[in-house]
Amino acid sequence: DTEVTQTPKHLVMGMTNKKSLKCEQHMGHRAMYWYKQKAKKPPELMFVYSYEKLSINESVPSRFSPECPNSSLLNLHLHALQPEDSALYLCASSQAGHLTSGANVLTFGAGSRLTVL
Amino acid sequence: GQSLEQPSEVTAVEGAIVQINCTYQTSGFYGLSWYQQHDGGAPTFLSYNALDGLEETGRFSSFLSRSDSYGYLLLQELQMKDSASYFCAAMTTDSWGKLQFGAGTQVVVTP
Repeated sequence: DTEVTQTPKHLVMGMTNKKSLKCEQHMGHRAMYWYKQKAKKPPELMFVYSYEKLSINESVPSRFSPECPNSSLLNLHLHALQPEDSALYLCASSQAGHLTSGANVLTFGAGSRLTVL
Repeated sequence: GQSLEQPSEVTAVEGAIVQINCTYQTSGFYGLSWYQQHDGGAPTFLSYNALDGLEETGRFSSFLSRSDSYGYLLLQELQMKDSASYFCAAMTTDSWGKLQFGAGTQVVVTP
């Protein structure tokens, strides 16, 4: 299995809603990532988990809350979002381990397109 | 901090060769990766260079010169399906996991 699966594919939510994005991989990767991507822009790193522990938080607002329940799953909990948070949210995974070449090879999911009304 | 610069758009005809340059300014540079992203799709890994020189993968090749802080992606025998955005991305020795993407190059292939 060489895929990263993200659900849902599309999500529309109001500013007072609470929702979650889910990501799953079965490649044995021990690093998992959340990226945010706006149209015509590169992916922006939000969070990195390494061996199920949060290793990087790129000063993301607290209305985004990541969770890594186990080595295969990554969630992004959303609460009280703003319209400017509308974007494509990409999950990715890679081999872990400091400076291994595999850490540069990210496998991305198809993304969850979020619209905040 | 680190920055990666690449052209915003390149247009070429089917069968042609396109070179996408990427210059970087970063301390502790470790390696340069290239990703392809079609409209509405996910980024897909293409190639990675940690050492100077050329890496060839089918019609695509990637080159790195650490002394010049420069790399490029070469797309040969262009096909219509190669129309996509191409991102260079770098990782540094002091920020493992923090893959920094360039702004992306939109490649438009015309008949």
